[in-house]
Amino acid sequence: GNSVTQMEGPVTLSEEAFLTINCTYTATGYPSLFWYVQYPGEGLQLLLKATKADDKGSNKGFEATYRKETTSFHLEKGSVQVSDSAVYFCALSDGGYGNQFYFGTGTSLTVIP
Amino acid sequence: EAQVTQNPRYLITVTGKKLTVTCSQNMNHEYMSWYRQDPGLGLRQIYYSMNVEVTDKGDVPEGYKVSRKEKRNFPLILESPSPNQTSLYFCASSPTGTAPYEQYFGPGTRLTVT
Repeated sequence: GNSVTQMEGPVTLSEEAFLTINCTYTATGYPSLFWYVQYPGEGLQLLLKATKADDKGSNKGFEATYRKETTSFHLEKGSVQVSDSAVYFCALSDGGYGNQFYFGTGTSLTVIP
Repeated sequence: EAQVTQNPRYLITVTGKKLTVTCSQNMNHEYMSWYRQDPGLGLRQIYYSMNVEVTDKGDVPEGYKVSRKEKRNFPLILESPSPNQTSLYFCASSPTGTAPYEQYFGPGTRLTVT
């Protein structure tokens, strides 16, 4: 079946530090991969996505590359800011009937000045 | 503004008292879905709907009902809430057609059942 395993948090970083949040997946077929971000008190917002192997999604300085050989989609940012403090969710969709999304458990990030 | 709205945002109720959480989207999306978010478990899908009058169970449908009489609305019904349904609930919608079908989320409804 389909599943997503995400690095456990919480993660605390100083401003301008490098961020990596690990995400690996198990899927049948060729899923699309997503990172969503949830700011305090808000719903989830799409951060970036990739639809096929070797695609790189990027947005707001965040990047993630779809690695089929390692079944991974790790999120990275070179220099985090206080405003990046949020919960980050990795997710996959197999695109089949039902458009079912499978989410990781979320990783809480706190960036301190 | 394109958005998914949910009401109420916060709700405290007692065991067994029927309640409805409304969800509405203004993007003309065919697909709508309900999730619950619990610590350590991430988001789990409760029900989804591919279009009007078409609904299907997700991973955790027990204790919930849904209906899809209009394209824009997808209410979640708890006929007899229990404390294990205390959770944060999200409604989401997406277009259908060409994958990937990005999902758009509402702001969430925090439900407490005592």
